[in-house]
Amino acid sequence: DVKVTQSSRYLVKRTGEKVFLECVQDMDHENMFWYRQDPGLGLRLIYFSYDVKMKEKGDIPEGYSVSREKKERFSLILESASTNQTSMYLCASRPDRRSNYGYTFGSGTRLTVV
Amino acid sequence: KNQVEQSPQSLIILEGKNCTLQCNYTVSPFSNLRWYKQDTGRGPVSLTIMTFSENTKSNGRYTATLDADTKQSSLHITASQLSDSASYICVVSASQAGTALIFGKGTTLSVSS
Repeated sequence: DVKVTQSSRYLVKRTGEKVFLECVQDMDHENMFWYRQDPGLGLRLIYFSYDVKMKEKGDIPEGYSVSREKKERFSLILESASTNQTSMYLCASRPDRRSNYGYTFGSGTRLTVV
Repeated sequence: KNQVEQSPQSLIILEGKNCTLQCNYTVSPFSNLRWYKQDTGRGPVSLTIMTFSENTKSNGRYTATLDADTKQSSLHITASQLSDSASYICVVSASQAGTALIFGKGTTLSVSS
């Protein structure tokens, strides 16, 4: 089975800190995604990447950036954390653009910004 | 606009009872529809995936149906257990290459003893 691993289950950071959320998948998937999930809003796409060193903005990219230096790793960066970025962050991957199957989520990182 | 609407927003049932969750979508062109189960504080886990040509798929006590003409899907849970308490998310994929998924806001199910 594909495994998508997010490095932290829980994080508490201070306002203004630079925050890195890490995601690693072990099945050589080309595509990776970052979502945030908030009560009443569901999952919203922040950024995605079709391959190494490629990135595309999702629906809510403001305040975030990403890095994909290696195929298996997709990092989400909060340049200067703010309290409205307190949320559950979910990483996902799939084999490639043609695959509508094999979409797998990580366990999530609950980030609290104080 | 591509949208996925789920109902009810929340549901409480007694252990052992059956229940049905609804999903209506306006996604075009349609590729497939998925149901995910998400336990509190965890990532979503896939229950079923159905394409246009499939109208029912089962995974243990979970049975999903799809009516592509009316753009409706349902998830039926039989003989509910306490471990079924979770959020259930309906997700629709459009056919354009590279398009990400369109998520419903989920139904929160609580099973009580």
